[in-house]
Amino acid sequence: GENVEQHPSTLSVQEGDSAVIKCTYSDSASNYFPWYKQELGKRPQLIIDIRSNVGEKKDQRIAVTLNKTAKHFSLHITETQPEDSAVYFCAHSGGYQKVTFGTGTKLQVIP
Amino acid sequence: GAGVSQSPSNKVTEKGKDVELRCDPISGHTALYWYRQSLGQGLEFLIYFQGNSAPDKSGLPSDRFSAERTGGSVSTLTIQRTQQEDSAVYLCASSVGQGTYEQYFGPGTRLTVT
Repeated sequence: GENVEQHPSTLSVQEGDSAVIKCTYSDSASNYFPWYKQELGKRPQLIIDIRSNVGEKKDQRIAVTLNKTAKHFSLHITETQPEDSAVYFCAHSGGYQKVTFGTGTKLQVIP
Repeated sequence: GAGVSQSPSNKVTEKGKDVELRCDPISGHTALYWYRQSLGQGLEFLIYFQGNSAPDKSGLPSDRFSAERTGGSVSTLTIQRTQQEDSAVYLCASSVGQGTYEQYFGPGTRLTVT
């Protein structure tokens, strides 16, 4: 199957705190795990992705971890800032599969 | 270079009318996706084109919805006999290949059915 579960659906954190969003998938053939950020009224944009040959990837304040055995992957945002407020979507795909998106997490960073 | 473009940006139509939404992907991108996003909701997959392969139409909600992609480039999403529940933002995205590449989204078409 191609389903992906994403949690939590909403998340509020104080500015400067960390935020973690988790996704679980079921298809063992999946090998590509991107994360998209959608600011209010704008289009989704890729912020980070990871492939199954690595377990963690960092880009400044954001990081993604992947556990292929458990079939879950997570987005970590450290030192959150108000501009991090947005909806975040996880996704996965593999081989010739289409990309399947999670249901989204609305992150609110409180100044 | 130019990104993904969509037209029109906004469309207001009366219930029962047909509408056509257009997507111009990034040149050279072989994969093209259509999604629907209702207010405050997630990305609902509609249809996926990849090269010359038969499209994956598994997300189309009813037979009122159809899409085509001519010459491996421009795509048109057609909604026949529109209903109020069709009101949403329709997003198109393209990528260089099959699923394991970044998707570049267009700005979307906001459809309002009155």
